[in-house]
Amino acid sequence: GDSVTQMEGPVTLSEEAFLTINCTYTATGYPSLFWYVQYPGEGLQLLLKATKADDKGSNKGFEATYRKETTSFHLEKGSVQVSDSAVYFCALSEPSSYKLIFGSGTRLLVRP
Amino acid sequence: SQTIHQWPATLVQPVGSPLSLECTVEGTSNPNLYWYRQAAGRGLQLLFYSIGIGQISSEVPQNLSASRPQDRQFILSSKKLLLSDSGFYLCAWSYPGGRSHTDTQYFGPGTRLTVL
Repeated sequence: GDSVTQMEGPVTLSEEAFLTINCTYTATGYPSLFWYVQYPGEGLQLLLKATKADDKGSNKGFEATYRKETTSFHLEKGSVQVSDSAVYFCALSEPSSYKLIFGSGTRLLVRP
Repeated sequence: SQTIHQWPATLVQPVGSPLSLECTVEGTSNPNLYWYRQAAGRGLQLLFYSIGIGQISSEVPQNLSASRPQDRQFILSSKKLLLSDSGFYLCAWSYPGGRSHTDTQYFGPGTRLTVL
C-alpha cells in the first residue's frame, strides 16, 4: 500500500542553520505531496504542496521539490528561526482517494 | 473566509464512558469532512470522511462512529471508550465537489482525549 517515510527526529539546530527534513514515499499512482506543520498544542497547517513531478512548493522560506525519479519530497529552509520549532508532517494523496497518508512526523527544535 | 471549530479542546474520560466530539465549519457549503486520530508519537490516521449529509465512510474498523446531521457539522462518537482510544483527534475539511487529489485539507485545532 501507499506509505510515507520521514527521517526520525528530533532535529536540533541553531538559529540561522540550514534545514533538511527527508521524506520519501511509495505510491501506486501519481500522488500529490504535502508538507504540514504542527505547532505545540495546535492542529495542522498546510505549509506547502506539489501536485506533479518537478513542481516546487514554497512558503515562508520553506521549499520542497517533487522528485518522481527518487520518490522524494524533502523539505528545506536556508535559515531557520526559533519560531520554526514544530513537528513537520509529510503526506501524500492518491488520485481518486479522499485519504491523506501521513508520515510519522519530524520534530524540529531551533535553539537561539 | 472559512473557519473550522472543534470542541472540547481537551477531555478526560473513564474507560467505558460515552464520547461525543463535535466539529463545525463556517464559510463554505457542503464541504468534504474528515476525522483523523493522532496517537502519541505517531502520524495521523484517517478514521472517517463524509462528502455530504448522512454520507459517512469508515477507513478503519474501530470502537468509534461518525455522523453528519447537518451540512457543516461532523460528530465523532463512541458508546464505550477504550484505553486505546486516547489520542489527539483532528477534524478537517476540503472544498466540495468531485474528489481531486490535489485538494488541500484544512485542519481544526484538535481535541486531546485521555481515557483513564
